[in-house]
Amino acid sequence: DAGVIQSPRHEVTEMGQEVTLRCKPISGHDYLFWYRQTMMRGLELLIYFNNNVPIDDSGMPEDRFSAKMPNASFSTLKIQPSEPRDSAVYFCASSGTGILNEQFFGPGTRLTVL
Amino acid sequence: KNEVEQSPQNLTAQEGEFITINCSYSVGISALHWLQQHPGGGIVSLFMLSSGKKKHGRLIATINIQEKHSSLHITASHPRDSAVYICAVQFSGSARQLTFGSGTQLTVLP
Repeated sequence: DAGVIQSPRHEVTEMGQEVTLRCKPISGHDYLFWYRQTMMRGLELLIYFNNNVPIDDSGMPEDRFSAKMPNASFSTLKIQPSEPRDSAVYFCASSGTGILNEQFFGPGTRLTVL
Repeated sequence: KNEVEQSPQNLTAQEGEFITINCSYSVGISALHWLQQHPGGGIVSLFMLSSGKKKHGRLIATINIQEKHSSLHITASHPRDSAVYICAVQFSGSARQLTFGSGTQLTVLP
């Protein structure tokens, strides 16, 4: 298995533009997580899905952020409009069933909003 | 409040030294994870444990549920162990959410 796949790996955009980050979880995993990492706040959970259904989006910073999981093999995190403070590394992770399953992280997308 | 604290924030060691990184948390948990973040940014899960001790190669993770404390040990440290080590906790009743510590930057000098 190729592991969790994220694209793009790097994104540079201008303030006000729409940004879409993509994630393909490991096949067979039914949990998918979106995290954000910044120097100031470290790693934070934004939202997670179980069987394509959003379970907890309390970490989504504001209405400019939205996430979807249309099927078991694809998820998107969208920021519209983007702001410089959204600059961060965004990680996607997936895990299997059972409360104690470890999470497998993607390589991350480094987002820079100018 | 559900909190996770790691120490030290930074650690420099000579090759071959025994390393200990600590993690404490505020309330009951269902699981604790140790993660490694490479200089290139990728995150790898090292251990997930809910009790006792786990060992993988030169890495050992222990957890004391009563004291709400976990340690990650590295024996015979090597420069390739240089990375950020992150403790993450699944608090009881929080389902799958992970709360992360601030990380420990480890540098092992040759």
